[in-house]
Amino acid sequence: DTAVSQTPKYLVTQMGNDKSIKCEQNLGHDTMYWYKQDSKKFLKIMFSYNNKELIINETVPNRFSPKSPDKAHLNLHINSLELGDSAVYFCASSPRGLAGFSSYNEQFFGPGTRLTVL
Amino acid sequence: GENVEQHPSTLSVQEGDSAVIKCTYSDSASNYFPWYKQELGKRPQLIIDIRSNVGEKKDQRIAVTLNKTAKHFSLHITETQPEDSAVYFCAASRRNSGGSNYKLTFGKGTLLTVNP
Repeated sequence: DTAVSQTPKYLVTQMGNDKSIKCEQNLGHDTMYWYKQDSKKFLKIMFSYNNKELIINETVPNRFSPKSPDKAHLNLHINSLELGDSAVYFCASSPRGLAGFSSYNEQFFGPGTRLTVL
Repeated sequence: GENVEQHPSTLSVQEGDSAVIKCTYSDSASNYFPWYKQELGKRPQLIIDIRSNVGEKKDQRIAVTLNKTAKHFSLHITETQPEDSAVYFCAASRRNSGGSNYKLTFGKGTLLTVNP
């Protein structure tokens, strides 16, 4: 009954390859996110989708392309991988952004995907 | 855009002592301030949050204070235990034009070590 799941957990690949990371949430949330956590533990948002619509697109190389086939899934495809792409990528979800006066403002993170580019 | 500064970057305390982590933010329109705890090799998890219409919030050994005028907020952990050892992140968020907070801007994290 995992709330937010990601596959794969580990990904080791060569420079120049193309790879994808998949994320699924079974919480019924409307909003999903991709974060990158670098070796210094800095967490930075990359993208956010609300009901399959892209709402946040930070300054990320266009080698990174998110895709949301439905509101329960948000995948991340990375083209032409570079050494600097090595990081842990976290998917997260929240109910309709973080607004409202209920307690449902939490962003639930997935377990992370550790990407190593050689 | 929003900028969140977090201090200290590392904090070591003895079990039973208190720990305080401080953050400042730049966007006066930010109205939501969560704190996340990330244990080694695990995912970040929300431990407490505060909205801009509240000055202080407590949950057992954890409390958060907010000073909107000074644009800073702090996490206080009392009676620390070894299992409190983790990286703690503060974050800030503002409502967009549609009335929803989507984007969290995180501080750079504080590695808290509680020594038995």
